[in-house]
Amino acid sequence: RKEVEQDPGPFNVPEGATVAFNCTYSNSASQSFFWYRQDCRKEPKLLMSVYSSGNEDGRFTAQLNRASQYISLLIRDSKLSDSATYLCVVNSDYKLSFGAGTTVTVRA
Amino acid sequence: DTGVSQDPRHKITKRGQNVTFRCDPISEHNRLYWYRQTLGQGPEFLTYFQNEAQLEKSRLLSDRFSAERPKGSFSTLEIQRTEQGDSAMYLCASSLGPTFTDTQYFGPGTRLTVL
Repeated sequence: RKEVEQDPGPFNVPEGATVAFNCTYSNSASQSFFWYRQDCRKEPKLLMSVYSSGNEDGRFTAQLNRASQYISLLIRDSKLSDSATYLCVVNSDYKLSFGAGTTVTVRA
Repeated sequence: DTGVSQDPRHKITKRGQNVTFRCDPISEHNRLYWYRQTLGQGPEFLTYFQNEAQLEKSRLLSDRFSAERPKGSFSTLEIQRTEQGDSAMYLCASSLGPTFTDTQYFGPGTRLTVL
C-alpha cells in the first residue's frame, strides 16, 4: 500500500467553479502535512501547510483529519492559472512522502 | 537567484555509463534532500543530509547510487552503471531544519534519460 493515496483526477472545471479533492495517508505517526503544486515538467512548489484546525490561504482551504488520516484541499473561484497537479505531502521523520498527484484543469 | 539550483538540467547517457549530478541548496539551509520522480508519480525520497552527515537512505537507493555533501554545502548524486530504469527526474530540496514543519524548497531538477 502506498503511503499517500490521491484521486488522480483529472478534474476539469470551468473558471469560477469550486473544486475539492483529498488524499489519505497510512502512517499515523506522520508529523506534518502539506499541499504542493507542480506544473508540467517543473519542480514541486509549496502551496500551503495543513493544520488540524483547518486553514485558508486566499481561495485555497485545507483540512486535516488525523483520526481518519485524511487531508483535503478546496479551491474556490478557480482561475485558469490554477491548472496544475496538486501533490498531497506527508512529513514522517523529516522525509516527505508524496501522493501521485491530482490533476486539475480549469477551462475558460 | 537564491533558490536551490541543480546542474545539469538534462542528461542523456548510454546504459552502463556513470553520471553525476550537483545540487546547490539555499545558502543558510542545513538540510539537503534528494528525491526521484518518474512520469505520473509523485517524488520518492532517496536520501538526506544534515550538514555533511548523510542521515538516512531509502531502500530505493541501490549500491549503484552514492550521494555526498562533503563540506555541508553543495551535494552530488552519482549513479554508476546506469540502467534504463534510472531514467527519471532527480530533484534536490533544502530546508533550514530540524523541525517537522520545516519547508522543503525544491530545485528545478535534473532530467536523466538512459538510452
